[in-house]
Amino acid sequence: AQSVTQLGSHVSVSEGALVLLRCNYSSSVPPYLFWYVQYPNQGLQLLLKYTSAATLVKGINGFEAEFKKSETSFHLTKPSAHMSDAAEYFCAVSDTTNAGKSTFGDGTTLTVKP
Amino acid sequence: NAGVTQTPKFRVLKTGQSMTLLCAQDMNHEYMYWYRQDPGMGLRLIHYSVGEGTTAKGEVPDGYNVSRLKKQNFLLGLESAAPSQTSVYFCASSRIYEQYFGPGTRLTVT
Repeated sequence: AQSVTQLGSHVSVSEGALVLLRCNYSSSVPPYLFWYVQYPNQGLQLLLKYTSAATLVKGINGFEAEFKKSETSFHLTKPSAHMSDAAEYFCAVSDTTNAGKSTFGDGTTLTVKP
Repeated sequence: NAGVTQTPKFRVLKTGQSMTLLCAQDMNHEYMYWYRQDPGMGLRLIHYSVGEGTTAKGEVPDGYNVSRLKKQNFLLGLESAAPSQTSVYFCASSRIYEQYFGPGTRLTVT
């Protein structure tokens, strides 16, 4: 069984400030982990993914995430927030036993203040 | 490539009516999924398919049926719509793990 917990349903930062969105996972086998972003009235799009290679993963739009097995975490960061980063972010976990299915977190809405 | 497309984009149904949502992908992906997204509840998997001619139940399958007669298409049917099925429906496809999503269908059942 696998699960994902996103800590904080809403995060607000000032433009130029650090963005940190938290994700903890549970998986009985080595996981594959993903962050997706959803802009208003759109579908989700992949930001970045961890598939057991490098633990620090870089994605689009300056985002990155670090896989920490000891902490079962996969937090998403960006050094300097931009107004265009305002969106909802979803963490997801999958593994080789699950026929390609992913379990998604409940999402975190990021607000960026000018 | 169009990626994943969904038809229609919006629909309003009366209780008891039926409809079919169409999802099409042009990436030759084996896996396809239907989700519903409701405020505060994230994404919930309705049904999925691991290949042409196969379907399986997800987390919230009641009230929905699906078919995958062609690899590129995945249809979601509501036989007798209920107000509880008011939601935004997303289709997705994947080769293995990361999923590609369509733009969504906003369905209102009155």
